[in-house]
Amino acid sequence: QVQVVESGGGVVQPGRSLRLSCAASGFTVRTHGMHWVRLAPGKGLEWVAGIYADGSEYCYIDSVKGRFTVSRDPAKNTFYLQMNSLRAEDTAVYFCARDLSVGAFDYRGQGTLVNVSS
Amino acid sequence: QSVLTQPPSVSASPGQKVTISCSGSSSNIGSNYVSWYQHLPGTAPKLLIYDNNKRPSGIPDRFSGSKSGTSATLGITGLQTGDEADYYCGIWDISLKTGLFGGGTKLTVL
Repeated sequence: QVQVVESGGGVVQPGRSLRLSCAASGFTVRTHGMHWVRLAPGKGLEWVAGIYADGSEYCYIDSVKGRFTVSRDPAKNTFYLQMNSLRAEDTAVYFCARDLSVGAFDYRGQGTLVNVSS
Repeated sequence: QSVLTQPPSVSASPGQKVTISCSGSSSNIGSNYVSWYQHLPGTAPKLLIYDNNKRPSGIPDRFSGSKSGTSATLGITGLQTGDEADYYCGIWDISLKTGLFGGGTKLTVL
């Protein structure tokens, strides 16, 4: 059964760091495009970052470039989002998703809440 | 303000059909595949339609998608109260290497 478990969220002060993890089962993160999408309070879905299936591209929304980094560990079958220099506007539930087709985000987890607050 | 425009809300009665539009431009919808997602509060979004009109396994044929030019449409027939949710269109912009979502449409089943 295809599923993911997102973890690593929490309450953090502005300027600090967090690393989100997306542990996958039932499929291999190495062979799928993988993405992070967030849902901020009172707002809509926002794509944040992703990796192409072949690893040829690492992509980021402009507002996180230089602060966030995605990576994957095939040995652990886990996808990560390293978030540095966090801002209040990064507060959201973060979901990881795999590509079912190009740009078709298949979500299989419950998300993890990141709350950036002083 | 998203570059993909959806109506903020739509409503219909149980058993009826509803359509939700997603309007863009030649550089986004016009050049890329469209996906549709259903989101219920407290849950993960669910992929309903991908590649403009394909349904993932397990999605009933009450849900359909179409695209024409710079617009896409999600159709839901035989509305059920359980269909009350927020619906989002989305694309992967191949040239910009960016994911884009519409602002979302709240469906109310009266």
